[in-house]
Amino acid sequence: DGGITQSPKYLFRKEGQNVTLSCEQNLNHDAMYWYRQDPGQGLRLIYYSQIVNDFQKGDIAEGYSVSREKKESFPLTVTSAQKNPTAFYLCATKGREGNEKLFFGSGTQLSVL
Amino acid sequence: RKEVEQDPGPFNVPEGATVAFNCTYSNSASQSFFWYRQDCRKEPKLLMSVYSSGNEDGRFTAQLNRASQYISLLIRDSKLSDSATYLCVVSDNMDTGRRALTFGSGTRLQVQP
Repeated sequence: DGGITQSPKYLFRKEGQNVTLSCEQNLNHDAMYWYRQDPGQGLRLIYYSQIVNDFQKGDIAEGYSVSREKKESFPLTVTSAQKNPTAFYLCATKGREGNEKLFFGSGTQLSVL
Repeated sequence: RKEVEQDPGPFNVPEGATVAFNCTYSNSASQSFFWYRQDCRKEPKLLMSVYSSGNEDGRFTAQLNRASQYISLLIRDSKLSDSATYLCVVSDNMDTGRRALTFGSGTRLQVQP
C-alpha cells in the first residue's frame, strides 16, 4: 500500500531530551518536507530535502535537525534547544517537478511532560 | 501582514446552505494556488487546485483574482461531512529548489443538521 508512514502517532518528551520523529515513504518521491502545526495555525516549514544527502532549513529550523541518508526516509529530531516543541508534526512528499501536490503522513503529536 | 490570510471562522451553516471562503495573499509573484481540507488532528488533503479561469469540482468552485490577490472557495448544498478546516495554500515558485508552499491558518466550517 503506497504512502507515507509517520511514527509514532503520539510522543512525549521530557525536558532536555532529544526525540526523533520517523517519516518513511514508498512513493518514490524525491522531495520531502517537515511541517509544524500549532493549534489554530497554518503549517510552518521546518526543513525540506529535494534529494538524498541534501536538505535545507525552512522558516523555523532552530532547535530541529534532519538527515536524508535514504530516499525513503527523512527523520526529524527535536532537540533540547527547541524550547516550545509541543505541536502537531506533519511529514510530506512531493512528486515530479512541476506537480505541486503535497502528500502528507498522518502526523505525530508531540507533547512535553 | 501575514503572507496568506484567512478568516478563522467558525462558519456555522445549516445543511444545504451555500458558503464561501476567501483567502488573500501578499506575494504578487505567487504562481500556484490550492485549497486543502483538514479534519481535526488529521493530515491535510488536497481538495482542489485553483486555476486562473476558475474551476469546479462537483459542489466545490474555486476562483482566483490576481488583481486583488485573493482566491475563493464556494461550497454548494453543504453536507455534514463538509465540516472541517479549509486551508488556503499558495506557492511562489520563486526558489525552484524549494518551491515553497505557504499555508494559511485555515477557515473552520461547521455544517449543522
